[in-house]
Amino acid sequence: DQQVKQNSPSLSVQEGRISILNCDYTNSMFDYFLWYKKYPAEGPTFLISISSIKDKNEDGRFTVFLNKSAKHLSLHIVPSQPGDSAVYFCAASSNTNAGKSTFGDGTTLTVKP
Amino acid sequence: EAGVAQSPRYKIIEKRQSVAFWCNPISGHATLYWYQQILGQGPKLLIQFQNNGVVDDSQLPKDRFSAERLKGVDSTLKIQPAKLEDSAVYLCASSSQQAYGYTFGSGTRLTVV
Repeated sequence: DQQVKQNSPSLSVQEGRISILNCDYTNSMFDYFLWYKKYPAEGPTFLISISSIKDKNEDGRFTVFLNKSAKHLSLHIVPSQPGDSAVYFCAASSNTNAGKSTFGDGTTLTVKP
Repeated sequence: EAGVAQSPRYKIIEKRQSVAFWCNPISGHATLYWYQQILGQGPKLLIQFQNNGVVDDSQLPKDRFSAERLKGVDSTLKIQPAKLEDSAVYLCASSSQQAYGYTFGSGTRLTVV
């Protein structure tokens, strides 16, 4: 049973437009959510996170929204740039073991010039 | 700050052979993780160390996988004997405490033939 799901394997957007990546989770014990970005042949890089006590966290062009009732979060990238083309992983943790993250299978974002 | 170092970058072995991976975390990071990422999937936690003690190894196939972190710094992950389904990228990550979010290494890509 996959506890973190990214239902869109891929997303293609035009440069300058908004990219929206979605993530759903099933485990109500999750209380912290993270997004990682991964380029080919590199390890994932931490991008942005949000605690369950918030519904929005913003960092420059990146904003993460959390809807606890729907067990859904999304990552918004505005404006999208070609350098944002990568695989984006959603991950979730609980305070029973803050270090242990459960990952989704990723969404490949392609930003076209 | 130097990142998480892993070696080798690539390894090809035949099934039933043994293999070992090495990880050197960021200096001062007490928590170290080994993740397995199968192609097309998200990373899955194999084992988590806090200093040289195991915090979580619930998803480690202990009949063939073993890991150690001597002196609470470097770590090795071993597979013996390897199976075809062990073909994956093995990612090491570290964090300063059992903190949310961590730094990954570039990984070791294992191919079992």
